[in-house]
Amino acid sequence: GAVVSQHPSRVICKSGTSVKIECRSLDFQATTMFWYRQFPKQSLMLMATSNEGSKATYEQGVEKDKFLINHASLTLSTLTVTSAHPEDSSFYICSAEGTGDQPQHFGDGTRLSIL
Amino acid sequence: RKEVEQDPGPFNVPEGATVAFNCTYSNSASQSFFWYRQDCRKEPKLLMSVYSSGNEDGRFTAQLNRASQYISLLIRDSKLSDSATYLCVVFRRASGTYKYIFGTGTRLKVLA
Repeated sequence: GAVVSQHPSRVICKSGTSVKIECRSLDFQATTMFWYRQFPKQSLMLMATSNEGSKATYEQGVEKDKFLINHASLTLSTLTVTSAHPEDSSFYICSAEGTGDQPQHFGDGTRLSIL
Repeated sequence: RKEVEQDPGPFNVPEGATVAFNCTYSNSASQSFFWYRQDCRKEPKLLMSVYSSGNEDGRFTAQLNRASQYISLLIRDSKLSDSATYLCVVFRRASGTYKYIFGTGTRLKVLA
């Protein structure tokens, strides 16, 4: 079935570092991908909708200059957390619009820890 | 008020018990509804879609009441492996795009 590969799965880095997370659709094309963030014991919160070949649509309260999204091809979207700080530590997860009877195909998530 | 609300639990039930989760949504323009299961530190996995006519998949039954904007999930004969967080998810279109809104999830612990 359709698979979404997310990389890296775990990142630990110092405050001020920029971190890039990749989300790839394998064996299918994804015009639209979604980026979510999940803090402990909370729900997945949609950060932005990534559209191939156009600008991402950010949710209210999400800083577009801090969370840079690039969706340059039909199989790859990237999220860059610029100048990350400890409060950015979270579980980041991407998904691609669904195929078949699956509404979304999720990546495995990236656990980001900023020291 | 959150757009999709769930009782966070935890629901602690013995093996073999029947347990029901509820979810309410506030936006009447919501179009599709789903239950997802999320294990700790993992990505959500689709459990089932939810239809007005109700649908059943083995031990799991989901129901949608559009008039009351209410969704339910019933798990019969609970297994230890059912322990997880159950997420209610609503799909709707907004401002030329579309999005999935997740509830905070209901934690279930099935006890031996």
